[in-house]
Amino acid sequence: DTAVSQTPKYLVTQMGNDKSIKCEQNLGHDTMYWYKQDSKKFLKIMFSYNNKELIINETVPNRFSPKSPDKAHLNLHINSLELGDSAVYFCASSQGSTQFFGPGTRLTVL
Amino acid sequence: EDQVTQSPEALRLQEGESSSLNCSYTVSGLRGLFWYRQDPGKGPEFLFTLYSAGEEKEKERLKATLTKKESFLHITAPKPEDSATYLCAVHVDTGRRALTFGSGTRLQVQP
Repeated sequence: DTAVSQTPKYLVTQMGNDKSIKCEQNLGHDTMYWYKQDSKKFLKIMFSYNNKELIINETVPNRFSPKSPDKAHLNLHINSLELGDSAVYFCASSQGSTQFFGPGTRLTVL
Repeated sequence: EDQVTQSPEALRLQEGESSSLNCSYTVSGLRGLFWYRQDPGKGPEFLFTLYSAGEEKEKERLKATLTKKESFLHITAPKPEDSATYLCAVHVDTGRRALTFGSGTRLQVQP
């Protein structure tokens, strides 16, 4: 199936740990994104990569670091996790302006 | 600052009872307005893109319209499977490709 996929689906961890979320798209898109959806369901942009180059870096703590090894992958690494990082993280990709989203990763920090 | 406001926050309909969801926006340089559907525990699913005032798009029981200040998602004779959160988002002309989302309307259609 052509899609945007993310792993893991659920991530439960302790404060202070470091974790990564992986994203892959097989749609042939040139731009990939990370969004955060908080408890109030607002989706907010965190990062955007175009052809492996960072083009958007919103006001996100530098504990969050995206990495794009190639056009089809955009991973999110989070250092020193805090309680407030608990949320659902969505990866998305686009070729034009229409974005297609992955299934999300629910991160719970205890 | 770009703003997207959706109303109502929640809507409960009986099966077959048509209604409309509203998305009002305050942006400069609208490049596109998007509607997504989000089911619990899943990612947003793309429905429509509207680019200019007066444009309309239809898909099954859904019809999206756009004016210079707002968009409507009309749901005709809804079925229980239409129950979901409907998200509106805008893409503005800033050189960025990020979408600015509203908080969504939770629709529940009862049989």
